[in-house]
Amino acid sequence: AQSVTQLDSQVPVFEEAPVELRCNYSSSVSVYLFWYVQYPNQGLQLLLKYLSGSTLVKGINGFEAEFNKSQTSFHLRKPSVHISDTAEYFCAVSYTGNQFYFGTGTSLTVIP
Amino acid sequence: EAQVTQNPRYLITVTGKKLTVTCSQNMNHEYMSWYRQDPGLGLRQIYYSMNVEVTDKGDVPEGYKVSRKEKRNFPLILESPSPNQTSLYFCASSGYSNQPQHFGDGTRLSIL
Repeated sequence: AQSVTQLDSQVPVFEEAPVELRCNYSSSVSVYLFWYVQYPNQGLQLLLKYLSGSTLVKGINGFEAEFNKSQTSFHLRKPSVHISDTAEYFCAVSYTGNQFYFGTGTSLTVIP
Repeated sequence: EAQVTQNPRYLITVTGKKLTVTCSQNMNHEYMSWYRQDPGLGLRQIYYSMNVEVTDKGDVPEGYKVSRKEKRNFPLILESPSPNQTSLYFCASSGYSNQPQHFGDGTRLSIL
């Protein structure tokens, strides 16, 4: 079965420090990768996507992610976090059609 | 403004009483999906639709029905709700297959 693994359920980090949120997925020939952010009591917002092309993808709010096919990973990074980045982050994968698989989420807490 | 609108936002009901959660999008999107979000499980796809009258099962379709009679609407129907369907539900839409999705604000259902 296809799957997405977010190894870290909670990540605390100090303000202005760098952060990496990890995501691994089941290998497939074609894969489309996404990171979404969810603020409390809200729906999900797209941070960035990898559909094809450059393996380094830049998104909104200073986030970026790198598609690594050999390691089947799509880790999310930000060089300097802000208090406003405190939220739940979800990695998602689509293989074919419109079937999407989401990870269990990583709760990022930025400490002042 | 591009929107996915879900109603109701909150609902408390009892076991066995049929309910419908409506979802409407104003972006003329082909693809629509329903998800449920549970603590520690992330988002799981219930059903998705590729176009009018075309729907397919996601990962957790048991106990749910959907219909797509119009492009903009994709209601989720619980014919005989049970307590294990207590969850936070999200509707989402996208313009094309494997593209990023726009999410609604969610519907919190409590089945007593």
